[in-house]
Amino acid sequence: SQTIHQWPATLVQPVGSPLSLECTVEGTSNPNLYWYRQAAGRGLQLLFYSVGIGQISSEVPQNLSASRPQDRQFILSSKKLLLSDSGFYLCAWSRGTSGRYEQYFGPGTRLTVT
Amino acid sequence: DQQVKQNSPSLSVQEGRISILNCDYTNSMFDYFLWYKKYPAEGPTFLISISSIKDKNEDGRFTVFLNKSAKHLSLHIVPSQPGDSAVYFCAASVIEAGNMLTFGGGTRLMVKP
Repeated sequence: SQTIHQWPATLVQPVGSPLSLECTVEGTSNPNLYWYRQAAGRGLQLLFYSVGIGQISSEVPQNLSASRPQDRQFILSSKKLLLSDSGFYLCAWSRGTSGRYEQYFGPGTRLTVT
Repeated sequence: DQQVKQNSPSLSVQEGRISILNCDYTNSMFDYFLWYKKYPAEGPTFLISISSIKDKNEDGRFTVFLNKSAKHLSLHIVPSQPGDSAVYFCAASVIEAGNMLTFGGGTRLMVKP
């Protein structure tokens, strides 16, 4: 079976500090990978998605970047955090094959920028 | 512009009764729709989905209805159980455009014993 891991689970960082959140998927190969953010009391906003190693698409302009150094690894980064970067960050994967379009989410990272 | 809307932020239902959660969308290109359930501080869990070629999909206590002409979908939970209490998100995608999901704002369901 497939599993998705995210770490850390919680993070408190000062404004201006760097960020690195990691997501890994097990039990599948060549997945599509996604980063979402949920701001307090709001829905999920897609930040980045990737259909393969080194292939990253950004949905919204922001202070964040993403990288996919390995097939099942997805990293969300920032060089300098802003207060507005606080939120709940979720990684998700879906099968890269047609006919199966559900996305499966990791446990999330709660980021608080102080 | 919010392309997927859940106009009811919360819903309270008695245990054993039906819960009906609603979702409206504006983008006629959406061709795949999903419902997720989310507990606090956890990732969303996939519940059920429906393709635009269908108008109903059922899985156990969960049934999703799609009305394409009205650009409306709903999730029915029968019978509702206290463990169903969570935030429910509907999501929509255009499959050929890369299957990115556009989420609604969520509806908090509370099932009272």
